[in-house]
Amino acid sequence: GAGVSQSPSNKVTEKGKDVELRCDPISGHTALYWYRQSLGQGLEFLIYFQGNSAPDKSGLPSDRFSAERTGGSVSTLTIQRTQQEDSAVYLCASSLGGARETQYFGPGTRLLVL
Amino acid sequence: SQQGEEDPQALSIQEGENATMNCSYKTSINNLQWYRQNSGRGLVHLILIRSNEREKHSGRLRVTLDTSKKSSSLLITASRAADTASYFCATDASGGSYIPTFGRGTSLIVHP
Repeated sequence: GAGVSQSPSNKVTEKGKDVELRCDPISGHTALYWYRQSLGQGLEFLIYFQGNSAPDKSGLPSDRFSAERTGGSVSTLTIQRTQQEDSAVYLCASSLGGARETQYFGPGTRLLVL
Repeated sequence: SQQGEEDPQALSIQEGENATMNCSYKTSINNLQWYRQNSGRGLVHLILIRSNEREKHSGRLRVTLDTSKKSSSLLITASRAADTASYFCATDASGGSYIPTFGRGTSLIVHP
């Protein structure tokens, strides 16, 4: 079946603008994660959704970052008033069950803030 | 702080040689996973090893886990140019939030 998809694949924006990044997880996967990867770095955890539970937002770097997951499926990561340091690849992953299971990653959205 | 850290940061070998990458972590874990990332792409899961397992194989991949040393190794045998990628370990801390924590990765280049 289809894997995890993300859109847009690339996004260029001006400092101060808001951006929305979309993630479509694998159908039936209850867990969804957002990560950020800066050039040559590892993955920085941002937020985790699991079923109908309250999301784990412990990784969000500031209150400019927020995410929602509608109907237990599609998720949107919103960055308000973007800064140049927000430039990175934003990766979404989903897993069938909880956080201890294999994650399936999307191709990522490359965000460049000018 | 990073739970898992890969070593070396970069590895360059010739096709046909074996590649060994290591991962060290700090706290007790439930499982450890290895992922691969080709340039500009998302991560692909390679193998999961649980804390009560010591070794696991998948094709040309061999993963070992030493919980007493809090370390794991990924061995790729008979490497191919197509194995060129970054390799990450992800650990799931027992008793913690269960969110897998990724290291900075090992960048492997296999020269044809």
